[in-house]
Amino acid sequence: DAMVIQNPRYQVTQFGKPVTLSCSQTLNHNVMYWYQQKSSQAPKLLFHYYDKDFNNEADTPDNFQSRRPNTSFCFLDIRSPGLGDAAMYLCATSRAGTGVANEKLFFGSGTQLSVL
Amino acid sequence: AQKITQTQPGMFVQEKEAVTLDCTYDTSDPSYGLFWYKQPSSGEMIFLIYQGSYDQQNATEGRYSLNFQKARKSANLVISASQLGDSAMYFCAMKLTGGGNKLTFGTGTQLKVEL
Repeated sequence: DAMVIQNPRYQVTQFGKPVTLSCSQTLNHNVMYWYQQKSSQAPKLLFHYYDKDFNNEADTPDNFQSRRPNTSFCFLDIRSPGLGDAAMYLCATSRAGTGVANEKLFFGSGTQLSVL
Repeated sequence: AQKITQTQPGMFVQEKEAVTLDCTYDTSDPSYGLFWYKQPSSGEMIFLIYQGSYDQQNATEGRYSLNFQKARKSANLVISASQLGDSAMYFCAMKLTGGGNKLTFGTGTQLKVEL
């Protein structure tokens, strides 16, 4: 029944070692999001895809990249993780594009990233 | 730019009692949507309830209701008959129509339901 699936649930990486987090969806939604959530903080939007169109948030560091090879999959690449990048990374999807405020986001269970 | 404020970092409620979680927002856009999400310790964000800025009636979903006061720019969540399983982090969030699909979250309220 899982609709937005994130793998792995926990990821440990070393300082400076590239890491990729995965997200897949069975909802056929055209929008996919990546949020970063640090401990006891609000989720912060990093970027999102509307179909193949990539939309980066102005304050997202260049260290964070994303790929969406098809509708179902989206990846978050952290090129050189720092200690400050340790966080929960949440993937989400939604159905509608610009102009509709009532489409809710469906979230995955998140990937908890630790940087050693 | 839109902003969501949740002023209660933590709340306690007794089982079977009702509780209100506060949320205020700020936007100059007349068209927007307000959401509440629940985040248990497992991490997944669970959608609870939605209120549109032009909706005439307050939204209700089972034990959840949204006390929407547009003039005061508040969208408080009311949970009736609290259960132990309601213990979680609760986030208020806002999305603007034409806002590029962006959902902006408040800082959350940690709710603890006690026996």
